[in-house]
Amino acid sequence: KQEVTQIPAALSVPEGENLVLNCSFTDSAIYNLQWFRQDPGKGLTSLLLIQSSQREQTSGRLNASLDKSSGRSTLYIAASQPGDSATYLCAVRDDKIIFGKGTRLHILP
Amino acid sequence: GAVVSQHPSRVICKSGTSVKIECRSLDFQATTMFWYRQFPKKSLMLMATSNEGSKATYEQGVEKDKFLINHASLTLSTLTVTSAHPEDSSFYICSARASPYEQYFGPGTRLTVT
Repeated sequence: KQEVTQIPAALSVPEGENLVLNCSFTDSAIYNLQWFRQDPGKGLTSLLLIQSSQREQTSGRLNASLDKSSGRSTLYIAASQPGDSATYLCAVRDDKIIFGKGTRLHILP
Repeated sequence: GAVVSQHPSRVICKSGTSVKIECRSLDFQATTMFWYRQFPKKSLMLMATSNEGSKATYEQGVEKDKFLINHASLTLSTLTVTSAHPEDSSFYICSARASPYEQYFGPGTRLTVT
């Protein structure tokens, strides 16, 4: 059974710092891995989608990597801003999409 | 990108009543849709997989008689919470699969049972 773990569960950093969020999954037979952002009380915003054949994806200040063989992904956020404060969810797709519990990120102004 | 809508976005109902949530794929056909539930400050838990024209497949621990799912067309799936209780209060999110490799999420429905 696929399990997705995100570390840390919560993170507070000063504005301007670069940071890394971690995601691990137990079954490497995945189609893709996706990072989402969720603001309090809101739905999901897709940030980056990495297909199983890819190693990384970039969008603006965000970079996500995927090491399928080791069951790991990282989300790198450069030059963090207070507007980046949210919960970040990692999700893997095999025949279903399974979510991690998320990392609650707080950027201190 | 593809759009998935949910209606209503927010609903308050009294304990013992039933409430229906709609999930629509607006610009694509989805043979498979998914329903997720999210408790406060928790992650999304898959409740069931809905296939057009057939019965939904429920995850372990999800009561199929309480959470009725109907996927009558390629663009619409509905989740009905029957005889709702306060513990059913949650954030419900649907997702629609546009292709084997593309899946899109709705904006969610906040259900509050009083």
